[in-house]
Amino acid sequence: DTAVSQTPKYLVTQMGNDKSIKCEQNLGHDTMYWYKQDSKKFLKIMFSYNNKELIINETVPNRFSPKSPDKAHLNLHINSLELGDSAVYFCASSLLPGTRKNNEQFFGPGTRLTVL
Amino acid sequence: GENVEQHPSTLSVQEGDSAVIKCTYSDSASNYFPWYKQELGKGPQLIIDIRSNVGEKKDQRIAVTLNKTAKHFSLHITETQPEDSAVYFCAARNNNDMRFGAGTRLTVKP
Repeated sequence: DTAVSQTPKYLVTQMGNDKSIKCEQNLGHDTMYWYKQDSKKFLKIMFSYNNKELIINETVPNRFSPKSPDKAHLNLHINSLELGDSAVYFCASSLLPGTRKNNEQFFGPGTRLTVL
Repeated sequence: GENVEQHPSTLSVQEGDSAVIKCTYSDSASNYFPWYKQELGKGPQLIIDIRSNVGEKKDQRIAVTLNKTAKHFSLHITETQPEDSAVYFCAARNNNDMRFGAGTRLTVKP
């Protein structure tokens, strides 16, 4: 299936731990994103990479570090997890950055992170 | 930066009725306005979008209108069905920067 996939789907961990969420897209897209969705369903962009290069870096704690080994993958590593990091994290991809026609963003299924 | 306001936060309609969700945006440079539907336990899925050079777009039971002067756009769903129940997000995008509204939880009662 062509899609944006994320692993794991659920992640429960203790405060202070370091964890990673993986994202892969097989759509041939050049641009990938990470979004955070809080308990009130508000979706906020965290990072965007185009062809492995960072193009958006919103104000997020530097405990969050995205890594793009190739343009089909954008992983999110989180150090020293805090209670407030609990949320659903969505990966997305689009063919290119910007608002060109036929450049919609496709979202992954999400990773629900719970920090205890 | 862009700020997107979405109303209402919850909306309950009877099956067969219409539903309207409204959004306003602040950045006049925004030129792309997608709407996403998010079902329980899933990622948002694009259902319709509109660009700033168009005032209205329709796809079967859903339509979107855009008023660039007033900086607002709306989603209209006609003949609602129970499977339309979900959280709907509007968004406004200017190049690399896409901002989402806070979401509207639509419930369609059979």
